[in-house]
Amino acid sequence: NAGVTQTPKFRILKIGQSMTLQCAQDMNHNYMYWYRQDPGMGLKLIYYSVGAGITDKGEVPNGYNVSRSTTEDFPLRLELAAPSQTSVYFCASSYPQGARETQYFGPGTRLLVL
Amino acid sequence: GESVGLHLPTLSVQEGDNSIINCAYSNSASDYFIWYKQESGKGPQFIIDIRSNMDKRQGQRVTVLLNKTVKHLSLQIAATQPGDSAVYFCAENMSTGSQGNLIFGKGTKLSVKP
Repeated sequence: NAGVTQTPKFRILKIGQSMTLQCAQDMNHNYMYWYRQDPGMGLKLIYYSVGAGITDKGEVPNGYNVSRSTTEDFPLRLELAAPSQTSVYFCASSYPQGARETQYFGPGTRLLVL
Repeated sequence: GESVGLHLPTLSVQEGDNSIINCAYSNSASDYFIWYKQESGKGPQFIIDIRSNMDKRQGQRVTVLLNKTVKHLSLQIAATQPGDSAVYFCAENMSTGSQGNLIFGKGTKLSVKP
């Protein structure tokens, strides 16, 4: 299994541009998550999904959107990029039992908004 | 403020010594705790977890201790090796919180001196 994969690894955006961060997992996990990690800080939950067609806001959802049309994929959309969205973004997935079990993380996408 | 935090942001130990990384949490309702290791440029990696009905759990070279009375969690690494150099995060899952919502601390950077 490839586990959790993320693309791209790095991206530079101009203010106001939009982009989609891709995330895929091949472990048949129902739960998937998007976090952002600012320098020297822990992870903050942006959005999560408990299954295809179901998404919920996390701690810091403003400026982002998600969709979950399949079990495998959970893309994160930035519509109008702002410098405050400069961060490293991690996607994760977990066992069907949800967050009470281990979350497996992808390698991250580093985003710079100028 | 964050409900999960760490006493020390950095920890430097000699190779071969034991390391102890501490974590405080503030929510008595939290019933599941995880330690993650994050190496530079990578996503967090699961190390060990513990449920609130336990006060100690051991893995390979790692031990997690949970003191519910003072709401304190620690990670002990035996015979620390250079490969243990990383940032370590504790995370808690509150049973009364939203599904899929792990709360992460800010992390402790462990540096191992050869």
